[in-house]
Amino acid sequence: DTAVSQTPKYLVTQMGNDKSIKCEQNLGHDTMYWYKQDSKKFLKIMFSYNNKELIINETVPNRFSPKSPDKAHLNLHINSLELGDSAVYFCASSQDGGGSYNEQFFGPGTRLTVL
Amino acid sequence: AQSVTQLDSQVPVFEEAPVELRCNYSSSVSVYLFWYVQYPNQGLQLLLKYLSGSTLVKSINGFEAEFNKSQTSFHLRKPSVHISDTAEYFCAVRPGGSYIPTFGRGTSLIVHP
Repeated sequence: DTAVSQTPKYLVTQMGNDKSIKCEQNLGHDTMYWYKQDSKKFLKIMFSYNNKELIINETVPNRFSPKSPDKAHLNLHINSLELGDSAVYFCASSQDGGGSYNEQFFGPGTRLTVL
Repeated sequence: AQSVTQLDSQVPVFEEAPVELRCNYSSSVSVYLFWYVQYPNQGLQLLLKYLSGSTLVKSINGFEAEFNKSQTSFHLRKPSVHISDTAEYFCAVRPGGSYIPTFGRGTSLIVHP
């Protein structure tokens, strides 16, 4: 009964390929996020969607494109993969708004390795 | 803009000893404060949070943190750690009215037998 799920868990691919990571949350939350965690465990926010609308788009190469088909899903598509894209990518969700900004629920992560 | 500083990147401690993981933040507005824990090869999970009310908040597994507004701190403590507490701990800040949380760089707690 996973609250935030991601697929795949591991992704190994060659430089230059295009890949997608999928995220789904069954918590009924209205805000979803993508984070990148590097080898030193530093967490960098990449994107955030609230009610399917993009609200945060940090300095991320435009090879990364998020897509939110509905409130429960936020997918991440990466074009022309580079060695530096190797990291663990986390999806998260939270229930916000109405003056209340709450904790985030994280998925298990997708470990991306670019060869 | 806000920032979060976790003063120790790594804290080694022996089992059953007390521990404190330090977190300081800066923000020009009121904030919500969180501690998350990340066990090896897992996602982050909430450990405890301060939104309002009592400045001392506790988790179900014995951790506690105290919001100190004058010192802009939210240090995490546990009086007696277990081997199973070995993990990465992240302090996070959300300014009121903001969708953008800021995370510290994490503190690796290593509990030795």
